[in-house]
Amino acid sequence: GENVEQHPSTLSVQEGDSAVIKCTYSDSASNYFPWYKQELGKRPQLIIDIRSNVGEKKDQRIAVTLNKTAKHFSLHITETQPEDSAVYFCAARWNTGNQFYFGTGTSLTVIP
Amino acid sequence: DAEITQSPRHKITETGRQVTLACHQTWNHNNMFWYRQDLGHGLRLIHYSYGVQDTNKGEVSDGYSVSRSNTEDLPLTLESAASSQTSVYFCASRPGPNTGELFFGEGSRLTVL
Repeated sequence: GENVEQHPSTLSVQEGDSAVIKCTYSDSASNYFPWYKQELGKRPQLIIDIRSNVGEKKDQRIAVTLNKTAKHFSLHITETQPEDSAVYFCAARWNTGNQFYFGTGTSLTVIP
Repeated sequence: DAEITQSPRHKITETGRQVTLACHQTWNHNNMFWYRQDLGHGLRLIHYSYGVQDTNKGEVSDGYSVSRSNTEDLPLTLESAASSQTSVYFCASRPGPNTGELFFGEGSRLTVL
């Protein structure tokens, strides 16, 4: 199966600064990498995703980059706001089985 | 609106009892999944189903079972609850194998005493 490692486990930034969360995966056949945001007491929700044939994708203040050779991908949040405070999960879809495997999560705190 | 719902949202039970967590989706999605969420472990896959009568074990399936008798429902059963199964459980679904987004239910918090 797939193994997804995520770092850091906690991250605090000042409002307006950037935040970067990194993930590595083990299965070179994985082809889809979503990021989910989970606010306190809520369900995880997709915020951005990237497929293996793309190196970077942006959506307003968030972006994801993928390095297939190194088998790692990163979430970048610019101009952070207090409402960005949440737990963020990366995931990889295991190509041979179509299941999603998640990282252990990063608790992001944006300090006003 | 189409939705995915879980019940109960909160459950306290005793060690050794059988517990069933319900998951119901109205999107007519073929793929359904059960995850457990624990601090330091993220979301771990318990069981999943690609369609009616299809069930598969995930990475942490011991002590759990599922059944898929129709498209809408994937109940998760703990045959004999253990304290190690205290967790928050999330059901999720998506239309099919090559579609990206997983849609999660609200979660069910289970405490085993």
